Formats: sequence, structure tokens, C-alpha cells
Amino acid sequence: NAGVTQTPKFQVLKTGQSMTLQCAQDMNHNSMYWYRQDPGMGLRLIYYSASEGTTDKGEVPNGYNVSRLNKREFSLRLESAAPSQTSVYFCASSDSSSGTQGEKLFFGSGTQLSVL
Amino acid sequence: AQKITQTQPGMFVQEKEAVTLDCTYDTSDPSYGLFWYKQPSSGEMIFLIYQGSYDQQNATEGRYSLNFQKARKSANLVISASQLGDSAMYFCAMREFNYGGATNKLIFGTGTLLAVQP
Repeated sequence: NAGVTQTPKFQVLKTGQSMTLQCAQDMNHNSMYWYRQDPGMGLRLIYYSASEGTTDKGEVPNGYNVSRLNKREFSLRLESAAPSQTSVYFCASSDSSSGTQGEKLFFGSGTQLSVL
Repeated sequence: AQKITQTQPGMFVQEKEAVTLDCTYDTSDPSYGLFWYKQPSSGEMIFLIYQGSYDQQNATEGRYSLNFQKARKSANLVISASQLGDSAMYFCAMREFNYGGATNKLIFGTGTLLAVQP
């Protein structure tokens, strides 16, 4: 079972370049998330999609856009990359159909992004 | 607004001993869930344990238990009989339960790096 698949695993960009991080899940989950992880900051929520067709801002949305392409896929776009966006990015999904507080997140393996 | 605090940036523990990782939270919502995740050096995020705010008993999963003290708003992770493979970063997280179903965000603390010594 693939679970949550993120691509690419590593990426180096120059300041001002754009790129899209791809995420797909095969667990039929309703909700999907993008987090970034920085040393000493933990994981911070960038954007999330509670269900297909909806997206909402998290804690640190500035400089990012997202697209919930379909139920399986949730992409994160950096339109003009900045060194402050150097981070490890995690995509995650959860099954929110039951509406319980105990639904856990399943994470992808992460994308290490460096912006020079 | 919900908030998660992990005050221990790093900890050492001897192999086979128990260790407690601290987590405090702040929320005004009476219904919420608390989670612990493990992140080994390989980078993946591994779910360990969950505690609901209305659960009467502390959650346990094998060697992991959650010491839930609702009045103190703490949800400490206890790892019994530490193993070398427990060396990792540990994150506490919380979800508020929105009855409107409009949000199910999981907010994380800054993590505690645990090193198990032989």
C-alpha cells in the first residue's frame, strides 16, 4: 500500500523560481494537509483541504497556493520561491468522514526544499 | 486559539528505563483530541497514541502511555523500558473538535529530541 506519496523528495531552487509539490493518497481520505517543518518550530500547517473542492489557510499560508485537484491529489505551489521557504514539506491525509476527533493523520515521506 | 507547548528540546534516557516527555496544551473547546507522533532520523512521521478529551482512562499502546491530566491541561507521553530504537524526535499535537465540521486541523508542538543511551 502506497499511502501518501509526495514528489519530489528533494529540490533545489533559485530565489524567484516557481515549483509545485505533488501529493497523492490512495486511502480514499477526505482531508489533506500541507505542513512545513523547520528546526525548533515543529510542524506548521500551511494549507488544508477538509474535503474535495475546499481549501483553507493554516498558520503560515503566505507565499503558497494549493489546489485540491480531486479527492486523491493535493498540490502545493510556490510561485516565487524565497530563501525563507527552505524547509521540509510534509503532505498528510486523514479520514474525516466519521467526524470524530480521533482521526489521525497519515504522512508522506517529506520533500526537502532548499531555496538559494 | 489552540496551542501546544513542549518545553523539553532534548532529553537523554538510559536504555531499559522509563521516560516522560512533557506536553501542555491550551484550548477553550471542551472537545479535543491529543496525539503523539514519532519522527526518527529517517524523517517519516509515525503515529503513536491518541487521547480524547472525554476519555475516562489514559490511553495506552504497548510501551507507550499517555498521562492525561485534564485540569492541568497536560498530556505527557510515557515510554516504558526505553530501547535504542526509541531515539527520535517526538511531537505532541492537538485537534479541536468543531461541531460544525468545518475544521479538523491538527496543531503540533515544537518537539522533543529523545536520545536513548546504551
